[in-house]
Amino acid sequence: SQELEQSPQSLIVQEGKNLTINCTSSKTLYGLYWYKQKYGEGLIFLMMLQKGGEEKSHEKITAKLDEKKQQSSLHITASQPSHAGIYLCGADNTGKLIFGQGTTLQVKP
Amino acid sequence: DTEVTQTPKHLVMGMTNKKSLKCEQHMGHRAMYWYKQKAKKPPELMFVYSYEKLSINESVPSRFSPECPNSSLLNLHLHALQPEDSALYLCASSHRLTGTAYEQYFGPGTRLTVT
Repeated sequence: SQELEQSPQSLIVQEGKNLTINCTSSKTLYGLYWYKQKYGEGLIFLMMLQKGGEEKSHEKITAKLDEKKQQSSLHITASQPSHAGIYLCGADNTGKLIFGQGTTLQVKP
Repeated sequence: DTEVTQTPKHLVMGMTNKKSLKCEQHMGHRAMYWYKQKAKKPPELMFVYSYEKLSINESVPSRFSPECPNSSLLNLHLHALQPEDSALYLCASSHRLTGTAYEQYFGPGTRLTVT
């Protein structure tokens, strides 16, 4: 079965700093999703990547899918306290969405 | 409108109670999902409905009973739950069942506590 591994598990950054979260799959990715979750709340859809080498941006968040389609990165530029939360990568696995363990981001003002 | 609503927001129930969780979406999505999320863990898929028919049951105990009365509504009926069933229950919907990657939109969740 497919597994997703995220790194780091947690991250504390100073406001204004850049950061990167990685998601590595044990199998080829046919659809890679990034979500954000505030504690105890629902998941907010950020971006979906499908093609090798694809890159998408939304505000200060950029996500890339590598050419081999087994790794994705999420990059936040000039982090703000509003970026704090849990970032989850998800993969389409034969009709099911499976998730990585999540990366908890804290942004210190 | 990309909103999925869930009620109630919080629920406390005894092990002998019967209760229901409700989920609603008006995006015209034809696939709907129930997930269970324990603290500090990612969501785990429970059930998938596609065109109002149950298409995936992830070996969920029968004390959880899903129902899809129409294309906009999804219920989860709860009966004789155990304390370990306490969790955040999330509902999601997507345009259709994934196969070619359609993003899922999640509701805010119901925080369930079983006493």
